[in-house]
Formats: sequence, structure tokens, C-alpha cells
Amino acid sequence: ETGVTQSPTHLIKTRGQQVTLRCSSQSGHNTVSWYQQALGQGPQFIFQYYREEENGRGNFPPRFSGLQFPNYSSELNVNALELDDSALYLCASSLQGGAYEQYFGPGTRLTVT
Amino acid sequence: DAKTTQPPSMDCAEGRAANLPCNHSTISGNEYVYWYRQIHSQGPQYIIHGLKNNETNEMASLIITEDRKSSTLILPHATLRDTAVYYCIVRVVGAAGNKLTFGGGTRVLVKP
Repeated sequence: ETGVTQSPTHLIKTRGQQVTLRCSSQSGHNTVSWYQQALGQGPQFIFQYYREEENGRGNFPPRFSGLQFPNYSSELNVNALELDDSALYLCASSLQGGAYEQYFGPGTRLTVT
Repeated sequence: DAKTTQPPSMDCAEGRAANLPCNHSTISGNEYVYWYRQIHSQGPQYIIHGLKNNETNEMASLIITEDRKSSTLILPHATLRDTAVYYCIVRVVGAAGNKLTFGGGTRVLVKP
């Protein structure tokens, strides 16, 4: 167990709806990263938050947005859901900078119908 | 970040050492090598990382060649619970963000 928690575990949404996923980072970690993992593929980096600001973004459209709170927990918001957004969404916490490793949560399985 | 090349799959026998190769011929001087694994439907698990020296922890050993163009992850005594997809990742340290770029990984099946 890494101490990183995510909620909910599973979620089913309809195309066009909006969804919010939540992540609590490991104690002492100040950076949260979000990844999308489609079935059969490796995780793809969405973005990262440090000190409540976005600090790096992958190749994802603006309808993917996030927040980080003063306690370092984070939210991932996805607007106008598309069928291709169906995936496992992973968050990872770490310290910023240096060669620090990232610790992943168990993920949220999102299904868009 | 430099790209990595790993065999898509490999089998190993329970109790034997598993040696997982990774090629990263375009690695830069400020890039570290990281290994993660992902057991089915779970989040990736950090295993080990290194820059140029060999590293060992309670899970595995990491051997990096002198020219740093390849590395090997060694699981000293594989168990059935080591069955997973293993990812070799190289990452620039010091740049903004801690982005990890995952490739296809190696699907390891430990057999009794």
C-alpha cells in the first residue's frame, strides 16, 4: 500500500457529461500527477500539480482540468465526456524535483457509454 | 525524455532469477532509469531507480551498463506474485515536473 487513495473506485457516465475524480496524496508529498491508462496500454501523463498550480501537461485537451488543494489532495475534472475517455485514471504523489519516485494510487475505472 | 525498448513478454520459473532487459541508447547525462511494475488492474508500483551506478533494494537490483545505453532489472528469486507488466522509464531529473513516459513494458509470467 502506497498511502495514495482515489475515489470513486468505479464510475459510469454518459457521453457529454462531466466527471470529477479525487486523489489524496501520500503524507508529506507535495506533488500530484494524473495519468490515463486505456485498456492494454501503458499510462499516459495528463498533468501534474505542485503548490496548487499546474506544473507540466501532456497531450490532452483543455476539457481535462485539475485542482490541487492546500493539503496537497487533488481533483481531475473531465468535461464533455467522450467514449474514448473510458479508461483507468491513476494519480501519483511525490516530492517535487530531484530523482524522487512517484507512488501510485489504485486508480478510478471510468466507463463512458 | 529518452525512449526505451523492452521485449514484449518473457516467462521465468518460480524461484529462479528473472533478468529483464531495457535498451535506452539515446539516454542523456541527466536522465535517470526507473523501473515500475503493474499487477493486473492495480496502480503501477515503484521498484527501483538509478543514474549510473548499480542499485539494490529489497525488491530488486538494477544493473546499468557503463555507457548507460542499456540496463537490466534483476528479480533475484521470482515468485508467482511477481507476474506483472514491468516498465522501464528514463526521466530527466531537474526539469519542471516529474512526468513519467510509459512505453509498452514487458509482460512477465512467472510459472510454477
